[in-house]
Amino acid sequence: QQPVQSPQAVILREGEDAVINCSSSKALYSVHWYRQKHGEAPVFLMILLKGGEQKGHDKISASFNEKKQQSSLYLTASQLSYSGTYFCGTESGSGNTGKLIFGQGTTLQVKP
Amino acid sequence: GAVVSQHPSRVICKSGTSVKIECRSLDFQATTMFWYRQFPKQSLMLMATSNEGSKATYEQGVEKDKFLINHASLTLSTLTVTSAHPEDSSFYICSALFRQGRTSSEQYFGPGTRLTVT
Repeated sequence: QQPVQSPQAVILREGEDAVINCSSSKALYSVHWYRQKHGEAPVFLMILLKGGEQKGHDKISASFNEKKQQSSLYLTASQLSYSGTYFCGTESGSGNTGKLIFGQGTTLQVKP
Repeated sequence: GAVVSQHPSRVICKSGTSVKIECRSLDFQATTMFWYRQFPKQSLMLMATSNEGSKATYEQGVEKDKFLINHASLTLSTLTVTSAHPEDSSFYICSALFRQGRTSSEQYFGPGTRLTVT
């Protein structure tokens, strides 16, 4: 089943923060986050494994709540380059297939 | 590292013809690759899992005789759209699985192929 992302779209001013959520009804092994710009391929951001961890680099971080089967992506002090569509990809089961099911995407627009 | 190429980037073909799309992992070996289809402003829909040396696994609703997948080497998978029709027009993206030890793996995507069937 496809994970559900929220919100569907968000508009920010440069320097503002945003949170994108990803929820699944299935038990998850891992959650992967990607950003896709128009007409381009998705770019890998980070992976979170079950165990309830948090990761981050620069001003983008993410958390994974295994009990709730939810992951959140945090974008702080947003930059114009953060604009794009963010997808979460979820992996269920034992995690040995690498197969991901992607959410419907969240469109982020950062304005000057 | 973890670069995936895809060729061609754009192709226009006539209805009834076949089109082959190549996906290559340039700096790592990928025993598993994935093929996705994406319609405008929509999510990535997994079509099939391509495994080196064995038959591809297709998702429900994907016609395996129409979308032929061959994973002949550890760095190359091909998708052939046979007898293409206008409804097959879409953005096709491949990804290669990069395994991080035993516990996790990451997918790296190719740049995609825009297929237009006239």
